[in-house]
Amino acid sequence: AQSVTQLGSHVSVSEGALVLLRCNYSSSVPPYLFWYVQYPNQGLQLLLKYTSAATLVKGINGFEAEFKKSETSFHLTKPSAHMSDAAEYFCAATEGGGADGLTFGKGTHLIIQP
Amino acid sequence: DTAVSQTPKYLVTQMGNDKSIKCEQNLGHDTMYWYKQDSKKFLKIMFSYNNKELIINETVPNRFSPKSPDKAHLNLHINSLELGDSAVYFCASSLGLNTEAFFGQGTRLTVV
Repeated sequence: AQSVTQLGSHVSVSEGALVLLRCNYSSSVPPYLFWYVQYPNQGLQLLLKYTSAATLVKGINGFEAEFKKSETSFHLTKPSAHMSDAAEYFCAATEGGGADGLTFGKGTHLIIQP
Repeated sequence: DTAVSQTPKYLVTQMGNDKSIKCEQNLGHDTMYWYKQDSKKFLKIMFSYNNKELIINETVPNRFSPKSPDKAHLNLHINSLELGDSAVYFCASSLGLNTEAFFGQGTRLTVV
């Protein structure tokens, strides 16, 4: 069974600083990986996805993530944080060929300090 | 047009009642899901439907039952509501299994 671990339930950065949100997965087969963002009282919006093509994936709003098989990681980064990035971020995984839907991490609340 | 829409957005009801949440997607996707987000924001899959066939049924109480009248709709019926059912329920759809899912805005269910 797969699992997704997000280190840090809360991350605080200054506006303009680098954003780094950590995600590690545990899977018996190469997974497909996703990052979603959830703004208050809204649904989840897909930021980016990894599906065994390029290991560096670019998403919306200036975010990108790098798949590192050796570290079983898929960390999310953004060079310069903006106030509008404040939200809950979820890493999710699903196993290719499986039927388990998405397994989510517990989420990381990103706080942007002015 | 909203890709995945669910109604109602808010639902407050008393213990023991039966309620339904409706979901519709206009993306032409083959697979639809229901996820539950608890008070700590943890998301867990409840059900999925692929071409009107239930293919995942997590260990949820049988008071919860998904109903899919057609490929574009997946409704969630809940019988004998309990306090612990209070949560946000999200409908989602995807082109197929194990591809990215598109989520609705959620239904915040409060059982009093």
